[in-house]
Amino acid sequence: EPEVTQTPSHQVTQMGQEVILRCVPISNHLYFYWYRQILGQKVEFLVSFYNNEISEKSEIFDDQFSVERPDGSNFTLKIRSTKLEDSAMYFCASRGQGARTQYFGPGTRLTVL
Amino acid sequence: GNSVTQMEGPVTLSEEAFLTINCTYTATGYPSLFWYVQYPGEGLQLLLKATKADDKGSNKGFEATYRKETTSFHLEKGSVQVSDSAVYFCALSQGGSEKLVFGKGTKLTVNP
Repeated sequence: EPEVTQTPSHQVTQMGQEVILRCVPISNHLYFYWYRQILGQKVEFLVSFYNNEISEKSEIFDDQFSVERPDGSNFTLKIRSTKLEDSAMYFCASRGQGARTQYFGPGTRLTVL
Repeated sequence: GNSVTQMEGPVTLSEEAFLTINCTYTATGYPSLFWYVQYPGEGLQLLLKATKADDKGSNKGFEATYRKETTSFHLEKGSVQVSDSAVYFCALSQGGSEKLVFGKGTKLTVNP
């Protein structure tokens, strides 16, 4: 069964450093998403991406964040200058054309020291 | 804006007990409704969904019915197992991007 994959599973970084979180969505899906879950809190929407551009973003997704689909398979989230409060689990999800269901990856745990 | 309110946990049950986790939503129009489950150390997995009023989603013995009149999507299972121990999230999607809006999650522990 096709699945969404994410790398790395755990990333530790120093405050102020740049991080790139990687996702490989399900191959025939066209809609891509990033969500985050701060420990003990609800899952929050960050950004959606379709046709090589952002279709919607939340207030959390400020200028420090960017997304890219550099090739036909990867979908990345970059945080330019990490803050302590960026520590969270980051989930990638993808959705097929005409479908309502999003399929999630296993997540990347980001720890900012 | 759209929001989801679900029963706060944690919920602790004995094996074979009946489970209900309440979920209500606020949205304009007709969102799609979902239950996702997160097992310890894992990501989010779709458990079931309903895309229109009166639809019943079901999977692995779990059920939820989309009730427009009460704006609810309560999760039920007649007989829980230890392996059902997980965090359950109610969510809705709507709008062009179909972004998901999640409830806070309910942690379920089932004891043998």
